[in-house]
Amino acid sequence: DQQVKQNSPSLSVQEGRISILNCDYTNSMFDYFLWYKKYPAEGPTFLISISSIKDKNEDGRFTVFLNKSAKHLSLHIVPSQPGDSAVYFCAASAGEAGGTSYGKLTFGQGTILTVHP
Amino acid sequence: DAGVIQSPRHEVTEMGQEVTLRCKPISGHDYLFWYRQTMMRGLELLIYFNNNVPIDDSGMPEDRFSAKMPNASFSTLKIQPSEPRDSAVYFCASSLAQAGGYNEQFFGPGTRLTVL
Repeated sequence: DQQVKQNSPSLSVQEGRISILNCDYTNSMFDYFLWYKKYPAEGPTFLISISSIKDKNEDGRFTVFLNKSAKHLSLHIVPSQPGDSAVYFCAASAGEAGGTSYGKLTFGQGTILTVHP
Repeated sequence: DAGVIQSPRHEVTEMGQEVTLRCKPISGHDYLFWYRQTMMRGLELLIYFNNNVPIDDSGMPEDRFSAKMPNASFSTLKIQPSEPRDSAVYFCASSLAQAGGYNEQFFGPGTRLTVL
C-alpha cells in the first residue's frame, strides 16, 4: 500500500516558467512533509519541508504548499532553471520523538523534472 | 564531515551469490536507514536502526535479506542468495533525532547492484 503517491512520473518545463510537482498521501498521522532532490549517480538531498501546522513554506525559488483536508502537497519552483532538472521525491513523517514511528520517512515514487533551456 | 559513505558503488554478481553492501553513517547520527530504489516503487525503506538497534524491518522483502549494525559507525545489508529481481540502487541514510519530528536524512551515494 503506497501511503505517499506522486502520480506524475515526469514533468517537462521551459526555463523561466513555473514547475509544479504534486504529492498525495493517505495516512492522516503524517505531520511533517519533506521534498528531496536527486541527481543521477548521487543520493537524494533535502530540499524543503513543512510542518502540518502550516500551509505554506517558502525558501527562495522553492515553495511547498500543504492542503491537509485534501491530503495533498505541492512543490512550486519559480522561475525554473535547467539545473533544477532532477528527480524529486516527496516524503512524509509521523510520530513524536521517542515514539515507534519516529525517524521513519515514507517516500513517494518520485517525479522526473526536466527544465529545457 | 565526509557524509554517508557506501561501498561498493557498483556491484555485479551472478544469481545465487552472496552480496554484502556496506555503510558508514555520519558521525554522531543515531538513526541509520537502508532503502532500495526501483522505477516502479521509488524509494522503499527496507530497515532502520536507532542507536544500533533494529527498529522496523517490515520493509525487508524476504528472508534472503538481512542487515546488521554492530556499532555506531558501520552497517551492512546482506542478500543471500541474490536474485536478478534484487537488481536496484541501494541507499544508506543517517539522521539525528531532533525535537518536533524534523527528520532530515542524509543519504549516501548509493550502491548500484546488478544480479545476472
